[in-house]
Amino acid sequence: AQSVTQLGSHVSVSEGALVLLRCNYSSSVPPYLFWYVQYPNQGLQLLLKYTTGATLVKGINGFEAEFKKSETSFHLTKPSAHMSDAAEYFCAVTSGGRRALTFGSGTRLQVQP
Amino acid sequence: SQTIHQWPATLVQPVGSPLSLECTVEGTSNPNLYWYRQAAGRGLQLLFYSVGIGQISSEVPQNLSASRPQDRQFILSSKKLLLSDSGFYLCAWSVRQGRNTIYFGEGSWLTVV
Repeated sequence: AQSVTQLGSHVSVSEGALVLLRCNYSSSVPPYLFWYVQYPNQGLQLLLKYTTGATLVKGINGFEAEFKKSETSFHLTKPSAHMSDAAEYFCAVTSGGRRALTFGSGTRLQVQP
Repeated sequence: SQTIHQWPATLVQPVGSPLSLECTVEGTSNPNLYWYRQAAGRGLQLLFYSVGIGQISSEVPQNLSASRPQDRQFILSSKKLLLSDSGFYLCAWSVRQGRNTIYFGEGSWLTVV
């Protein structure tokens, strides 16, 4: 079985501050891990993904995430928040033969001016 | 390039009425297709996925059904809507082989009144 836990349903940061969104996963086999972003009333857009190889993954809009197997984590970071980063962020996992993604409950990021 | 379209974008339906949400994918063949639901304040729940025409897997027992009459067409239906069916419905696709990125449509807002 696979599952994802996102700690913190709401995160608020100041513009220019570090963004850290937490994601922990559970998987019995090596996982593929994803971060998606959802702007209001829109579908989900892929930010980045980890499959194999380098554990630090860079995505769009300056975001990156690091796969840490020992901690079963895949936290999303961005050095400096921008107002346009305000959105909901979803971590997702797929493992083994399961094609469909299992999503976390999401974290809503607010960026204060 | 591949595109995914789903419609209608917004729907208000009375309790007990039928539902039909349609999704089509362009620019690819033999995709995996998915229907997810996002209820208010909750994450994404996988409802159905399909690996081929007429092949539908249901993830949760519910008031909804799905059909895939053509390779790139996926339909979500209900004979009688419940209030609890309200939510944001997302169609998605991925490449058939392996554990690949899932790409989402723009979503359909369903309000059951």
